[in-house]
Amino acid sequence: GENVEQHPSTLSVQEGDSAVIKCTYSDSASNYFPWYKQELGKRPQLIIDIRSNVGEKKDQRIAVTLNKTAKHFSLHITETQPEDSAVYFCAASMGGNKLVFGAGTILRVKS
Amino acid sequence: GAVVSQHPSWVICKSGTSVKIECRSLDFQATTMFWYRQFPKQSLMLMATSNEGSKATYEQGVEKDKFLINHASLTLSTLTVTSAHPEDSSFYICSASSGSHSYEQYFGPGTRLTVT
Repeated sequence: GENVEQHPSTLSVQEGDSAVIKCTYSDSASNYFPWYKQELGKRPQLIIDIRSNVGEKKDQRIAVTLNKTAKHFSLHITETQPEDSAVYFCAASMGGNKLVFGAGTILRVKS
Repeated sequence: GAVVSQHPSWVICKSGTSVKIECRSLDFQATTMFWYRQFPKQSLMLMATSNEGSKATYEQGVEKDKFLINHASLTLSTLTVTSAHPEDSSFYICSASSGSHSYEQYFGPGTRLTVT
């Protein structure tokens, strides 16, 4: 089955700096890779996603890149703000529209 | 759009009792709903997938007789934790997807279950 590894587990950055979170997946058949942001005690919110026919996607300060050959994808947040502090999860699709999630990254943006 | 509600948001029950959690898609038809369990500071673990009108598919290691799932309509799925034990205490989150070719999942706000 699919396995998704996510790094780092925690990330502290200064406000205004960039943050990068990386994930690798094992199943070459995976073709959908979303990123979710979860604040404490709240639901995961989809912030950006990418499909396997695209190498990069950007939405304002957030971008995701995908390297299908290497089976890894990354989340890039530029000009970080304190409200970006949260837990971020990557995920990869598997059969039956299911998603397998990474272990999560705690992002702390220091002001 | 793509709003999913979950009820209750938190519940405390005694060991041996059953608890039902509802998951509703408010503004779209959810052909597929997923149930996850999340322990503190951990990731989302898929428990089961439910498709409207058919039996749920459970992930390996999840007891189907303990976690009863019903997906009676395109907007409602329920999870019943039967004969609850303290180790069942957790954060249960549902998500909904609108179509067989749609991978996007929209999450409910979660239910905090505490079994005493």
